[in-house]
Amino acid sequence: EVQLVESGGGLVQPGGSMRLSCAASGFTFSSYWMHWVRQAPGKGLVWVSRINNDGDYTTYADSVKGRFTISRDNAKNTLYLQMNSLRAEDTAVYYCARPRNGDYDYWGQGTLVTVSS
Amino acid sequence: EIVMTQSPATLSVSPGERATLSCKASQSVGSFLAWYQQKPGQAPRLLIYDASTRATGVPARFSGSGSGTEFTLTISSLQSEDFAVYYCQHYKNWPPYTFGQGTKLEIK
Repeated sequence: EVQLVESGGGLVQPGGSMRLSCAASGFTFSSYWMHWVRQAPGKGLVWVSRINNDGDYTTYADSVKGRFTISRDNAKNTLYLQMNSLRAEDTAVYYCARPRNGDYDYWGQGTLVTVSS
Repeated sequence: EIVMTQSPATLSVSPGERATLSCKASQSVGSFLAWYQQKPGQAPRLLIYDASTRATGVPARFSGSGSGTEFTLTISSLQSEDFAVYYCQHYKNWPPYTFGQGTKLEIK
């Protein structure tokens, strides 16, 4: 059974940093690109970042470029999102998601990041 | 960036009735269109991909249609568990693969 389990969310002050993790199981993690998608409270879904299966190609939404870094450890079957210089508008539930073709066939349960003083 | 627009924002339907949700793209996305269902406190669930193919385990009462810029998700006979928010998403070209703003399907 495919499982994606996020962790690392919580409350952080503006300007602070946080690292999210997504532990994958039930599939060959190293064969898949992986994505992060976020959802602000009461709002819709917004793509954040993606990484190729080898970890040497990444892309970011303009809103997080230069502040967030996506990475992965295929030996540990884990995806990461390092978030720096956090802003109030980064408050959201962050989901890791596995792309099927461009759509997402598996999602984690999400982890809430709250940026507030 | 392709903009996805869903309508209506909220749809009130009685159990057992048919629900029809619309998604329009600002330019053609071919058949590269997915639909998701999201219940409160849960992650989105893939329902339909490639505009009309049901994902694994999705009941037959869910169907998708359309191509180009106009798409429809139809739920033929609403069950209590179907009341949720539904999102469309295109994956025609990068960057990025954008989502619609969602349609909330509520009990009438």
